[in-house]
Amino acid sequence: SAVISQKPSRDICQRGTSLTIQCQVDSQVTMMFWYRQQPGQSLTLIATANQGSEATYESGFVIDKFPISRPNLTFSTLTVSNMSPEDSSIYLCSVDSPGNFGYTFGSGTRLTVV
Amino acid sequence: GQNIDQPTEMTATEGAIVQINCTYQTSGFNGLFWYQQHAGEAPTFLSYNVLDGLEEKGRFSSFLSRSKGYSYLLLKELQMKDSASYLCAVRDRLGAAGNKLTFGGGTRVLVKP
Repeated sequence: SAVISQKPSRDICQRGTSLTIQCQVDSQVTMMFWYRQQPGQSLTLIATANQGSEATYESGFVIDKFPISRPNLTFSTLTVSNMSPEDSSIYLCSVDSPGNFGYTFGSGTRLTVV
Repeated sequence: GQNIDQPTEMTATEGAIVQINCTYQTSGFNGLFWYQQHAGEAPTFLSYNVLDGLEEKGRFSSFLSRSKGYSYLLLKELQMKDSASYLCAVRDRLGAAGNKLTFGGGTRVLVKP
């Protein structure tokens, strides 16, 4: 299955600032997914990122708050903009591994906004 | 949209069996996954069902009934290390755009000695 390198692994940020999270995949993938996992909760899909087109956002998530880049088939970034304490969460990227081995996840970014 | 339901929490004894149920409603079903997630870690893949029936993988088995929108994950011979959250996730076909994976709320399993 694919291997994903995600960074940073954690950060503590001041409210009003922005943080960009990066995911690098060791193989070319068509779609990359960004999830949020709030404390004690399950994973919520933020958006789907295709290379060469704008990301598709789920209900409740907007591009101004969570801009996504997908410059090539192995890389994507998610920016959390104008952060508030409510954005404190774990953010994970994911790809659909071939052969029905399931989706592979990055190790996650634990974000704390103070 | 999707609706994926699973129990919030279950407790079982070491060596016992636990069954975690998951019901779902979706429009473009293209497979159901179970993931295990230990606290502070990313989810790890456990099983995949796309056709009706039982898939067995060691101590873990997963069952699917597409007509009923129902799946379960069966954990046998429970070990303390099985204490974790178990996430049911449904993959939807998005046509030419590919697939999308949506998660249920997760079931926290506590294994007691």
